[in-house]
Amino acid sequence: EAQVTQNPRYLITVTGKKLTVTCSQNMNHEYMSWYRQDPGLGLRQIYYSMNVEVTDKGDVPEGYKVSRKEKRNFPLILESPSPNQTSLYFCASSLVAGSNYEQYFGPGTRLTVT
Amino acid sequence: GNSVTQMEGPVTLSEEAFLTINCTYTATGYPSLFWYVQYPGEGLQLLLKATKADDKGSNKGFEATYRKETTSFHLEKGSVQVSDSAVYFCALSDYGGSQGNLIFGKGTKLSVKP
Repeated sequence: EAQVTQNPRYLITVTGKKLTVTCSQNMNHEYMSWYRQDPGLGLRQIYYSMNVEVTDKGDVPEGYKVSRKEKRNFPLILESPSPNQTSLYFCASSLVAGSNYEQYFGPGTRLTVT
Repeated sequence: GNSVTQMEGPVTLSEEAFLTINCTYTATGYPSLFWYVQYPGEGLQLLLKATKADDKGSNKGFEATYRKETTSFHLEKGSVQVSDSAVYFCALSDYGGSQGNLIFGKGTKLSVKP
């Protein structure tokens, strides 16, 4: 089944404790992206990757890192999480970046930072 | 910059009622327009899209027409069902650049009562 998977689905952590949220897709997509969803703000892009070893900042990259060493994986790293990073996070992928290509979303990771 | 404005929710309807969720956008260039749906506890799924002016996207009884003159992409369904209860996001993608970013509205929560 074609899908985007994220782990963990739920995470409660404390301020300053490094964490990684994994994202994996099995569709051989080149383009991958991370969004955060906050009430009243919709979804905002954090980072994106056009292909392996190519990543760039989205609209709200502060406090986050990413890497793209393999085509299928695009982990999101929070080196020193803070409470304002409490949010619902979505990973997405598409065949390539382009308006004719649907973005497929993972199920989401709900992160709480205390 | 590019932006999407959609009607505030929540919207509560009875089964078989007519649905309209308004969406207007601001963009340079010629964006593609999308409606995504998020069912409870799940990630976003593409519902429909339109890539140029006067295009009509349709899926599962939902329709939206890309109106360049009014910069709108309103979502409509003639007869909603309880299973349509979800959050609906209007989004645009301006692929004049190569970022591949989707700009989302804040979402409209729809509840359909039997």
